Amino acid sequence: QKEVEQNSGPLSVPEGAIASLNCTYSDRGSQSFFWYRQYSGKSPELIMFIYSNGDKEDGRFTAQLNKASQYVSLLIRDSQPSDSATYLCAVPAGGTSYGKLTFGQGTILTVHP
Amino acid sequence: GAVVSQHPSRVICKSGTSVKIECRSLDFQATTMFWYRQFPKQSLMLMATSNEGSKATYEQGVEKDKFLINHASLTLSTLTVTSAHPEDSSFYICSAMTSGEIYEQYFGPGTRLTVT
Repeated sequence: QKEVEQNSGPLSVPEGAIASLNCTYSDRGSQSFFWYRQYSGKSPELIMFIYSNGDKEDGRFTAQLNKASQYVSLLIRDSQPSDSATYLCAVPAGGTSYGKLTFGQGTILTVHP
Repeated sequence: GAVVSQHPSRVICKSGTSVKIECRSLDFQATTMFWYRQFPKQSLMLMATSNEGSKATYEQGVEKDKFLINHASLTLSTLTVTSAHPEDSSFYICSAMTSGEIYEQYFGPGTRLTVT
């Protein structure tokens, strides 16, 4: 079983809609969760992190965490074409792997006008 | 967020030569930095963890003698690709980790290496 799994997509939504990106993880001891956005040909950009159960909002982005279900999601409200990118979920690798992140395979999001 | 720079952004070199890539944390100190490689349409692949003042830790399958990492200060880590070959052509990305309650990783803009 992969440690971090994302819905592979690609996900296509119309402009103005809500895009929902999902991620599950296998390590119950994971404490913090990160969402990165990567535009084609560019490096990843940290957009949010969350470590408490519930929702965390930042502008049009909302991260949702459910530790009991080992599930973290990212909602993008009022999606814009500029949101079209690959979204990566990341979880600390744990154990003695200080600071290392385990990344999901990424979900490609396309927002069409 | 914190800012990480990389230099050069793009480099073309001949087969057999060595290339050095620099990674700098501009507005914070980073005791730990990471080096990744990414091939087109593939996921990030962690190559090594760079620790200030100590030897780097390499992931399984990564040749430590080919990819030399030096983390001489709290703001600078370098990756040297020695005796580069065309199969080393890739997008190399570093990240620097902040310290505190949550260890956040911020990525540099990446270096696109082409070996001819």
